[in-house]
Amino acid sequence: DGGITQSPKYLFRKEGQNVTLSCEQNLNHDAMYWYRQDPGQGLRLIYYSQIVNDFQKGDIAEGYSVSREKKESFPLTVTSAQKNPTAFYLCASDGIDSPLHFGNGTRLTVT
Amino acid sequence: EDQVTQSPEALRLQEGESSSLNCSYTVSGLRGLFWYRQDPGKGPEFLFTLYSAGEEKEKERLKATLTKKESFLHITAPKPEDSATYLCAVQDSWGKLQFGAGTQVVVTP
Repeated sequence: DGGITQSPKYLFRKEGQNVTLSCEQNLNHDAMYWYRQDPGQGLRLIYYSQIVNDFQKGDIAEGYSVSREKKESFPLTVTSAQKNPTAFYLCASDGIDSPLHFGNGTRLTVT
Repeated sequence: EDQVTQSPEALRLQEGESSSLNCSYTVSGLRGLFWYRQDPGKGPEFLFTLYSAGEEKEKERLKATLTKKESFLHITAPKPEDSATYLCAVQDSWGKLQFGAGTQVVVTP
């Protein structure tokens, strides 16, 4: 079955450490996205990529970085510069005439 | 600036008690309005896309409608398995997607 795989499901880190969240899709979608979800707020866009080797900042890119070396993969690094990194992170992808599909998220806790 | 407001924030229903969720929006040129269902600890699952005022879509006990200012998600005779958070999102003419904060629905037997 086609889908988006995010790993790990839960991640715990100490403050000051960088951490990388994995996102892999086998839907053959060109575009991929990273969203952050906090209680009581709508999903907020961190970064997106419409094609391999190209990506754009979303609304809340500060303290995050991404890469897109392969069509299937779009990892997100949460750096120590992100002031409030504890959140639920969602990866998504879409294609022509295809709505946004989401992975099952990674819950990051930084203490 | 695009805005999406969902109401109520939370809704508690008895099994079989029909109700509606609201998604009000302001957007510069609506390209599409999307409804998603999200279970706890999971990613959102796509339900419907609506493109123009007057359009309606149905899936099992769910029916989505669209006007120029808002969309409704009607839940008819809900069952406990309909318990979830329902998210609304609008896409503007530039392709930018804006999500609402969601309505958490709990259906009790």
